[in-house]
Amino acid sequence: NAGVTQTPKFQVLKTGQSMTLQCAQDMNHEYMSWYRQDPGMGLRLIHYSVGAGITDQGEVPNGYNVSRSTTEDFPLRLLSAAPSQTSVYFCASTTGGSYNEQFFGPGTRLTVL
Amino acid sequence: KNEVEQSPQNLTAQEGEFITINCSYSVGISALHWLQQHPGGGIVSLFMLSSGKKKHGRLIATINIQEKHSSLHITASHPRDSAVYICAAKYGNKLVFGAGTILRVKS
Repeated sequence: NAGVTQTPKFQVLKTGQSMTLQCAQDMNHEYMSWYRQDPGMGLRLIHYSVGAGITDQGEVPNGYNVSRSTTEDFPLRLLSAAPSQTSVYFCASTTGGSYNEQFFGPGTRLTVL
Repeated sequence: KNEVEQSPQNLTAQEGEFITINCSYSVGISALHWLQQHPGGGIVSLFMLSSGKKKHGRLIATINIQEKHSSLHITASHPRDSAVYICAAKYGNKLVFGAGTILRVKS
């Protein structure tokens, strides 16, 4: 199993550009989520999904869209990038429930100029 | 608001020392996770617990539901334990993360 994969690893955007961060998992996990990590702060939930076709907002959803058309893929779209979106983005998956291990992707480091 | 507080923010230890990292949270959690983030950035899950204590090698995690508090202990610390340790509380479908504890173990 590849686990959770994310692409790209690094990205530089100009303000106003749009892009999609890709996330895929091959463990047949129902639950997937996107987080951003900023210096001095904990990981913050952007959006999450409890299964194909179901998504919901997390703590910091503004400026981001998600969709979940398959169990495996959970892309995160930046609609119009802003410097405040400069961050490291992590995708994670789990089988769901309260007691299951979280599997994280390697992260995408995004800089918005 | 569901919050998770970790202490200390930074910790430097000598090799061999016993290390404790603390995590406090609000009521209503269904589980508490401890995670490790390596210097290269990757995040791995260490423990999930809802009561009592778990042990894996030199790592021990405990949780006290009444006091809303969890601790991560590292026995016989080693420079390879240097990393950021993160606790995360599960509220419903969502994880709320602490800011992390930066641990440096010197040889």
